[in-house]
Amino acid sequence: DAEITQSPRHKITETGRQVTLACHQTWNHNNMFWYRQDLGHGLRLIHYSYGVQDTNKGEVSDGYSVSRSNTEDLPLTLESAASSQTSVYFCASSDRLSYNEQFFGPGTRLTVL
Amino acid sequence: EDKVVQSPLSLVVHEGDTVTLNCSYEVTNFRSLLWYKQEKKAPTFLFMLTSSGIEKKSGRLSSILDKKELFSILNITATQTGDSAIYLCAVTLDAGNMLTFGGGTRLMVKP
Repeated sequence: DAEITQSPRHKITETGRQVTLACHQTWNHNNMFWYRQDLGHGLRLIHYSYGVQDTNKGEVSDGYSVSRSNTEDLPLTLESAASSQTSVYFCASSDRLSYNEQFFGPGTRLTVL
Repeated sequence: EDKVVQSPLSLVVHEGDTVTLNCSYEVTNFRSLLWYKQEKKAPTFLFMLTSSGIEKKSGRLSSILDKKELFSILNITATQTGDSAIYLCAVTLDAGNMLTFGGGTRLMVKP
């Protein structure tokens, strides 16, 4: 069955370290998204991609970067982790039609000490 | 700035009660509104609404959109403890595939 996976599921790191969160989907979806979820803020969009070599900034992109070298993967990198980036991160994907639902991965809980 | 607001923030009911969750939006070039249910893990899709006044129904859950007044409601009848979750509302715009989420409503159903 097609799916979307994230790794690691839990990560503890220290301030200033570079961290990469992986997202992999097997639906062959063109669109992929990264969100963070914090209490009181719901889900906020960090970066998104509409296809290979395409990346775009979302609402809260500062301190994060993504790259899209193939259809299946959209890794999220925190260049220099900060305590404010402690959060739960969700990856999602959808096919190229804008009105289609997004499918979410299981999430990565990141703690920055 | 695009805005999606959900109310109430949280709600505690007893099994068998009926609940109504609200989602209002102020966005440019609205395309669709989606409802998701989030239990312990990832949000799971419930409904997508694009037309005013047409109710979508799935079992005890139903939802309707009012594009004139810019809101949607999600109704859950005969609630069960398994309905306890965060319910998220999100909108998509004509100009892209992104979702703009509201802050969610946390529903707790007590036995």
